[in-house]
Amino acid sequence: AQSVTQLGSHVSVSEGALVLLRCNYSSSVPPYLFWYVQYPNQGLQLLLKYTTGATLVKGINGFEAEFKKSETSFHLTKPSAHMSDAAEYFCAVSDRNAGNMLTFGGGTRLMVKP
Amino acid sequence: GAGVSQSPRYKVAKRGQDVALRCDPISGHVSLFWYQQALGQGPEFLTYFQNEAQLDKSGLPSDRFFAERPEGSVSTLKIQRTQQEDSAVYLCASRRGAAGVGEQYFGPGTRLTVT
Repeated sequence: AQSVTQLGSHVSVSEGALVLLRCNYSSSVPPYLFWYVQYPNQGLQLLLKYTTGATLVKGINGFEAEFKKSETSFHLTKPSAHMSDAAEYFCAVSDRNAGNMLTFGGGTRLMVKP
Repeated sequence: GAGVSQSPRYKVAKRGQDVALRCDPISGHVSLFWYQQALGQGPEFLTYFQNEAQLDKSGLPSDRFFAERPEGSVSTLKIQRTQQEDSAVYLCASRRGAAGVGEQYFGPGTRLTVT
């Protein structure tokens, strides 16, 4: 069974500082990997995904993530935080064979201080 | 184009009542998923439809939960004899294709509170 661990349920950064949200997965076979963002009272929005090829993936709003097979990690970064980045972020995996259901981590709430 | 819509957005039910939650996926999307998101947690998979066929219901927590998609478009998640532990946000997502890594588009969710 797959599982996803997001270290740090709350992360606080200053505006303009680096954002680093951590995600580690457990799977017998490298899965497909996703990051979603959730704003209050809204649905989840896809930030980026890794399926194959280049391990550094660029997404929307200046976010990027790097797939590291040896570390079973898919950490999300952004060089400079904006106030508008304050939200809940979820890492998710999907089985490479079935490609259907998503297994989510517990989420990380990002707070951005002015 | 419209996204995934869900209704009602909020539902309060007394323990023991039955509830029905509706999902309108993006038109033409083959795949439809239901997830349950408890407060402060990530979403958890409930069930998956490909057109009208329910291909995976392994995440449904009990036989009180039932989902259908009779015409391959709108889906309804029904919970019978609601319990307090059913309180959560229920998310619906749709995907264009039948399989693979196409993006799942999520609706805003229905927040169910069981009192």
